[in-house]
Amino acid sequence: NAGVMQNPRHLVRRRGQEARLRCSPMKGHSHVYWYRQLPEEGLKFMVYLQKENIIDESGMPKERFSAEFPKEGPSILRIQQVVRGDSAAYFCASSPEDRGNTIYFGEGSWLTVV
Amino acid sequence: SQQGEEDPQALSIQEGENATMNCSYKTSINNLQWYRQNSGRGLVHLILIRSNEREKHSGRLRVTLDTSKKSSSLLITASRAADTASYFCATVRSGGSYIPTFGRGTSLIVHP
Repeated sequence: NAGVMQNPRHLVRRRGQEARLRCSPMKGHSHVYWYRQLPEEGLKFMVYLQKENIIDESGMPKERFSAEFPKEGPSILRIQQVVRGDSAAYFCASSPEDRGNTIYFGEGSWLTVV
Repeated sequence: SQQGEEDPQALSIQEGENATMNCSYKTSINNLQWYRQNSGRGLVHLILIRSNEREKHSGRLRVTLDTSKKSSSLLITASRAADTASYFCATVRSGGSYIPTFGRGTSLIVHP
């Protein structure tokens, strides 16, 4: 049973380019969470999605950031016109249901903006 | 602001010693979870303790929860060099959407 799969693991973008991060949840999981981690810091919640529905996006910047979890295919976190401050590790996690139980993390996508 | 805050920020011990990390939080919770993160890797779930539980064990791990003090502790007994990692607590609030909120973590180094 494959775990949460994230790709790419490492991504380098120049300022102003777009970054697309993908997350395939564990089999049978219908809920996806995205978190951002800056060096030496904890995880900051960004967005919580169910298939075809954004449940909570209170942690996501209003501009340049968007997320989706379509009926088919992986969840996508999209960052437009990246800036150096977007450099961070982005983690995706999934859970089978909306009951506040354990969430399972992927290995993360490390974005570097040069 | 972060819901959970771990203490200490960093902990350095010798192999065989016990390691204790604490987590304090601010609001009522549904449950509290502890995760481990090795450098450059994702988070791995260790233990979930519900608000009506006081203590849970898993192998060399022991977690306690004191809802009156809004705090939890993670004890790792007989530590090993392989336990070197960052440890995070995550709280899920009672009511509202079930989104685990993480603290800044405790960095544990176990010297062989």
